[in-house]
Amino acid sequence: AQSVTQLDSQVPVFEEAPVELRCNYSSSVSVYLFWYVQYPNQGLQLLLKYLSGSTLVKGINGFEAEFNKSQTSFHLRKPSVHISDTAEYFCAVSGDNQGGKLIFGQGTELSVKP
Amino acid sequence: DTGVSQDPRHKITKRGQNVTFRCDPISEHNRLYWYRQTLGQGPEFLTYFQNEAQLEKSRLLSDRFSAERPKGSFSTLEIQRTEQGDSAMYLCASSLGGGRVSYEQYFGPGTRLTVT
Repeated sequence: AQSVTQLDSQVPVFEEAPVELRCNYSSSVSVYLFWYVQYPNQGLQLLLKYLSGSTLVKGINGFEAEFNKSQTSFHLRKPSVHISDTAEYFCAVSGDNQGGKLIFGQGTELSVKP
Repeated sequence: DTGVSQDPRHKITKRGQNVTFRCDPISEHNRLYWYRQTLGQGPEFLTYFQNEAQLEKSRLLSDRFSAERPKGSFSTLEIQRTEQGDSAMYLCASSLGGGRVSYEQYFGPGTRLTVT
């Protein structure tokens, strides 16, 4: 069985500061990892994905994440956040032969303050 | 590419009534997924289709829930005899997929169900 743990439920940060949102996963099969963002009353938008290859993945809006197999982590980072980055962020995992279904973490609420 | 659409966006119903939601995926996507999201939680997988075949159903999907994708295009999710615990956001997503690898899923805006 697969699972995802997002270690912080809320992350407050000041504008232009760096941020890291932490995600750990467990899986018995090869994994594909994703970060999604959800703005209030909207669906989820894909930020970035790791399928294979380079462990450093760059996404939209200046976000990046690093896949660390030994630590089973996929932390999301941004060097300088904006007010508009305030949203809920979800880490998700999918595995080989799983039909593509996503297992999500509980989410991290990023709050960017001026 | 018009994205994934869902209808209605909001539904308020009384306990015991039946409701049906519709999802229109991105046209060339062969896979369609349903998730449920309650307040403060991440989405939970309910079921998915590859073309018109329903390939997996979660244990969360009780006998009161049924989903269809009759021609491999749009899908419907019906909840019979709604209960207050069914109140949630129901999300639909679509993707290309086949074999071992699935590509990223694109989500619709969701249908928010409130059972009174």
